[in-house]
Amino acid sequence: EDQVTQSPEALRLQEGESSSLNCSYTVSGLRGLFWYRQDPGKGPEFLFTLYSAGEEKEKERLKATLTKKESFLHITAPKPEDSATYLCAVQGGSEKLVFGKGTKLTVNP
Amino acid sequence: ETGVTQTPRHLVMGMTNKKSLKCEQHLGHNAMYWYKQSAKKPLELMFVYNFKEQTENNSVPSRFSPECPNSSHLFLHLHTLQPEDSALYLCASSPLEGNYGYTFGSGTRLTVV
Repeated sequence: EDQVTQSPEALRLQEGESSSLNCSYTVSGLRGLFWYRQDPGKGPEFLFTLYSAGEEKEKERLKATLTKKESFLHITAPKPEDSATYLCAVQGGSEKLVFGKGTKLTVNP
Repeated sequence: ETGVTQTPRHLVMGMTNKKSLKCEQHLGHNAMYWYKQSAKKPLELMFVYNFKEQTENNSVPSRFSPECPNSSHLFLHLHTLQPEDSALYLCASSPLEGNYGYTFGSGTRLTVV
């Protein structure tokens, strides 16, 4: 059974304080690992797809990396508008997306 | 707008009511999904439709009844719900081929009183 564990559950940062979110996974035949951002009361918004170990993708202050067991979402010099819940999901042989519980990020000014 | 539109955004219903949630996508995707999101829990997949045919029903109680009249529209019919069914209900769509992930709507916040 595919599983995703995200840590920490919640993270508070000061503006400009860089950090990383972790997504550990077990999956049968990884087809893709996905990062989403979700704002309160809204649906998840797609950020990145990673397909193989060693792959990295960047978007503004966010950088996602992938190994065979985990993915990291690095946030460099975050701003208050980066506050959101970040969701990780994997797609394996079943082709269904399996999600983690998310990390709630709060960036204080 | 993400290309997936859900209505209504908010719904309050009594346990004896019947209501429907609507989802519409204009992305040309072939697969559509219903997810339930409760506090402190991962997104729970409820139903999957590929080319209008239901391919998955994850042991969802019969008080939830999906309908997919065409590849662009998806409904979730609700009746005799329980307070624990209160949650954010999310619709998503995806291409059938390839590893493109899902595009989500903004969700319907359902409160059962």
